[in-house]
This record gives sequence, C-alpha cells and structure tokens, in this order.
Amino acid sequence: AQKITQTQPGMFVQEKEAVTLDCTYDTSDQSYGLFWYKQPSSGEMIFLIYQGSYDEQNATEGRYSLNFQKARKSANLVISASQLGDSAMYFCAMREVQRDDKIIFGKGTRLHILP
Amino acid sequence: EPEVTQTPSHQVTQMGQEVILRCVPISNHLYFYWYRQILGQKVEFLVSFYNNEISEKSEIFDDQFSVERPDGSNFTLKIRSTKLEDSAMYFCASSPRHNEQFFGPGTRLTVL
Repeated sequence: AQKITQTQPGMFVQEKEAVTLDCTYDTSDQSYGLFWYKQPSSGEMIFLIYQGSYDEQNATEGRYSLNFQKARKSANLVISASQLGDSAMYFCAMREVQRDDKIIFGKGTRLHILP
Repeated sequence: EPEVTQTPSHQVTQMGQEVILRCVPISNHLYFYWYRQILGQKVEFLVSFYNNEISEKSEIFDDQFSVERPDGSNFTLKIRSTKLEDSAMYFCASSPRHNEQFFGPGTRLTVL
C-alpha cells in the first residue's frame, strides 16, 4: 500500500496565484514527520518545509505553508503568490519516527507556473 | 549556508565496473543517508548511517552496495559490479537529528 499519495501528477497555475499541492499519507504511528521537497529541472532536491505530527500549528516557511489535517491524514503544501521559478517537481514525504530513519517519498506533482 | 556536496556530478561507467560516489555532509550533522531516483520515478531510500554504522537499509541495498565514512568528513557509496539498472540519480542527505534531511545535488550515474 502506498504510504504517501500525491494525486496530482501535473498542475498548471497562473503566475501570482496561490497553489495547493495535495498529499495524503498512511501510517499507524503516532509520531511521524512530514516533508515537502522541490526538485527543479536541474535535479537537486531542495528541502522546503517540515511538519511534526505533534506540532499544533501548521508549519510555514516564507511563501510555503503546510496545511496539516491530522484526522484526514492530509499534508497539503500551499504556495502563495506563485512565481515562474516555482515550476518544478514537488515531492511529499514522511518519516515514521519510531520505526526507522528513512524518508518515504510520494510520486510527486509537476507544477508548471504560467506567465 | 552550509550544504551537502557530492562528487562527481555525473559518472559514466561500463557495466560490471565498480563506482564510488562521494558525499560531504554538513559538518555538525550526525545522520547520513543515500537515496536513489531512477529517471522519472520517485526517490527511494537506500541506507542510513549513524555512529559509524548502518542503522537501516532497504531491500535495494544488497551486497552489491556498501557505505563508508572513511575520514570523518566524507561519506561514500560504493557500487560493485554495476548493472544497467543501477543507472539513476544518487542523492546523499544529512540530518542533525531525526527531522529535516538536507539533500546534496546528486550524482547522475550512467551505466553503459
């Protein structure tokens, strides 16, 4: 079974609009962490934002925020005021803290920002 | 800002040859990882390393693979007897604790 599900393989968004990238996860653990990474066409993996399962507030980092809905097991990434440079592949990922060290990645969403 | 670095950026090798991919993690980090990404696919965990030993490895990480931290700064992934299906982007990551993992720029391995 998929641990991380990203249902949007691709999205097109007009520049300056806000965009929400969907992510749902599956775990029976109480302690876990959720991540979003950006992978531009150059290939590197850029860490964007982290949310711990016990964090009461949604994580924010500049234009990025994570809409964490624990009961729904949802961790959507919101990018406000999108820019052309936001065009990239975006991966949602999870680490089950008590279980192991690895991060499990979703299949990604390719975001295209239109001028 | 400190970064994870990886060398080389691109490695081309013949099938059956051995390759060593090198990484320099962020200096005060304690946890080190290797991941791979086959072209067009998701990122897959290979191995984690803590306190000079492997803490976890995936089913991908078989006897063909090994990791070392030879000198306290470098963290290497050795792939023996490479196969065509080993062609991928290999990412090193490091973490100060069990939260964010910071990835290097990757090494693209092409096996011919």
